[in-house]
Amino acid sequence: AQKITQTQPGMFVQEKEAVTLDCTYDTSDQSYGLFWYKQPSSGEMIFLIYQGSYDEQNATEGRYSLNFQKARKSANLVISASQLGDSAMYFCAMREVQSGSARQLTFGSGTQLTVLP
Amino acid sequence: ETGVTQSPTHLIKTRGQQVTLRCSSQSGHNTVSWYQQALGQGPQFIFQYYREEENGRGNFPPRFSGLQFPNYSSELNVNALELDDSALYLCASSPPRGRNTEAFFGQGTRLTVV
Repeated sequence: AQKITQTQPGMFVQEKEAVTLDCTYDTSDQSYGLFWYKQPSSGEMIFLIYQGSYDEQNATEGRYSLNFQKARKSANLVISASQLGDSAMYFCAMREVQSGSARQLTFGSGTQLTVLP
Repeated sequence: ETGVTQSPTHLIKTRGQQVTLRCSSQSGHNTVSWYQQALGQGPQFIFQYYREEENGRGNFPPRFSGLQFPNYSSELNVNALELDDSALYLCASSPPRGRNTEAFFGQGTRLTVV
């Protein structure tokens, strides 16, 4: 079963507008972490934002915020005031925190965001 | 503080050959993970090394193997290359356990098998 689902293969947004990228996840663990990464065409995965399952407030990092709805198991990324440089692939990922286990990330299939001038 | 560096950046190999990819972890990070990212897909976890031991593995065959060295750098070895092994290989390093922070990724090695 898919652990991370990103239902938007591609999204378009006008420069300076806000955009929401959707992510839903599936886990039976109580303790986990949710991440968003940006991957430009160069290939490097750039960390954007992190939300812990026990964090009561939504995470924010500059123009990025994470809309965390635990009961719905969703962790949507909101980018405010889009810039042309935001055009890239965006991945949602989850790390399930299990004692003694590998700290692996499980990624979704990604959303290709294009910012229009 | 240096970031995660991978070498080489691009590589072309012939089916059946063997390849070694290298990764230098971020300063102070003792955990290294390797991911395979096929074109148009999200990265898939291959394995993770912690204190020079493999401590987790994804759904990859034994011809994918690795090493971690005392300075925490790491190698990914793939034997008997197949066409489907063509992908971007990403290395990620993480800080010591107990700190639930993000993994830092390198720029990747793009492997093409012909």
